Amino acid sequence: DVKVTQSSRYLVKRTGEKVFLECVQDMDHENMFWYRQDPGLGLRLIYFSYDVKMKEKGDIPEGYSVSREKKERFSLILESASTNQTSMYLCASSVPGHRSSRYGEQYFGPGTRLTVT
Amino acid sequence: DAKTTQPTSMDCAEGRAANLPCNHSTISGNEYVYWYRQIHSQGPQYIIHGLKNNETNEMASLIITEDRKSSTLILPHATLRDTAVYYCIVRVDQAGTALIFGKGTTLSVSS
Repeated sequence: DVKVTQSSRYLVKRTGEKVFLECVQDMDHENMFWYRQDPGLGLRLIYFSYDVKMKEKGDIPEGYSVSREKKERFSLILESASTNQTSMYLCASSVPGHRSSRYGEQYFGPGTRLTVT
Repeated sequence: DAKTTQPTSMDCAEGRAANLPCNHSTISGNEYVYWYRQIHSQGPQYIIHGLKNNETNEMASLIITEDRKSSTLILPHATLRDTAVYYCIVRVDQAGTALIFGKGTTLSVSS
């Protein structure tokens, strides 16, 4: 079974703090993703990575950065947390695209519910 | 990506088959149908996907109509743990694009 783990289930931070969210997958997947999920807005893609040290912006990258130094680990960084970044953050991974129709087969972690006060 | 339409909610008795419909009348020839579910306070869980043939795995079966304008996810023997929001997603298989989750169907399984 694919396992995607996230460093915390719940996190409370203050405005202006630098926040690190960690994600680790154990299936040697090359693609990893960070989403945020908000009521009424669904899942929105923040960043994704298709290889070590490679990253691409998603739909809402502003205020975030990412790091992928090792294949199994993908970190999301909130440079200066703000209250509008209070959300559920979800990490996912998927197999390489050369295996047909697999980009949409994504495996999610349990999520980190971040509250910024 | 093609738009999907799902019923807001459905009920199912434990042990019975749950049949969840999805309409995707504007689907293109290169778009796949994916199903995910999300149990309360957990991350989404991949269930199954298909292009035009019916598919079955250990979790569910996916029936896609011949014209591909609709599909049905079948959970053959629903249990209480299958209570979740089920999402039907239609998308081209390409990198770097998000999964777009609509409102989904809330399936309630009761004993």
